[in-house]
Amino acid sequence: QVRLVQSGAEVKRPGASVKLSCKASGYIFTNYYMHWVRQAPGQGLEWMGMINPSGGVTNYAQRFYGRVTMTSDTSTSTVFLDLPSLTSQDTAVYYCARIDNAFDLWGQGTMVTVSS
Amino acid sequence: DIQLTQSPSFLAASVGDRVTITCRAGQPTGSHLAWYQQKPGEAPKLLIYRVSTLQSGVPARFSGSGFGTEFTLTISSLQPEDFATYYCQKLDSYPLTFGGGTKVDI
Repeated sequence: QVRLVQSGAEVKRPGASVKLSCKASGYIFTNYYMHWVRQAPGQGLEWMGMINPSGGVTNYAQRFYGRVTMTSDTSTSTVFLDLPSLTSQDTAVYYCARIDNAFDLWGQGTMVTVSS
Repeated sequence: DIQLTQSPSFLAASVGDRVTITCRAGQPTGSHLAWYQQKPGEAPKLLIYRVSTLQSGVPARFSGSGFGTEFTLTISSLQPEDFATYYCQKLDSYPLTFGGGTKVDI
């Protein structure tokens, strides 16, 4: 079954960091770039960046450049999103999504809550 | 960065209505535009890519059109399961920006 399974919900204090995971199955992991999209409560979709799982080349949205890190592990078909120095503005659902012409396969999302 | 502006942001409609949503880009995006549907608590679902190509499994009542900087998503006859929020997205170059969304409600 072709799917992306994301890690579970996180609750963090301001200033903490979080590392989210997205495990792919049912297809050749290295054949498709992976993207991360976030959605703050009641808000729209925001593209964060992408990673080529084969080689690890990344491209980040300007507002996240130097702020987030995307990595991949081909041995486990998993991509990761590292978010340090969390603030309340980072409270959102984070999605991974595979691209094939467009974002044709999405993970179920991971809720990250940043609260003191 | 190229912005995508969707209109309207909210649309009240009834079952059976023909619904049209517009997405305007700040610069031409070629044929690299997609549409997604999102229901509360769910991940977005791809409906249309490359302006007008229907994703596999998507009902034929959904269609897309447009060129250059103006694109439309049309639902020919709204069904109860179509009440959702719809987003356009440009995929010609980074950043892969989304439009602000259009909520279709009763």
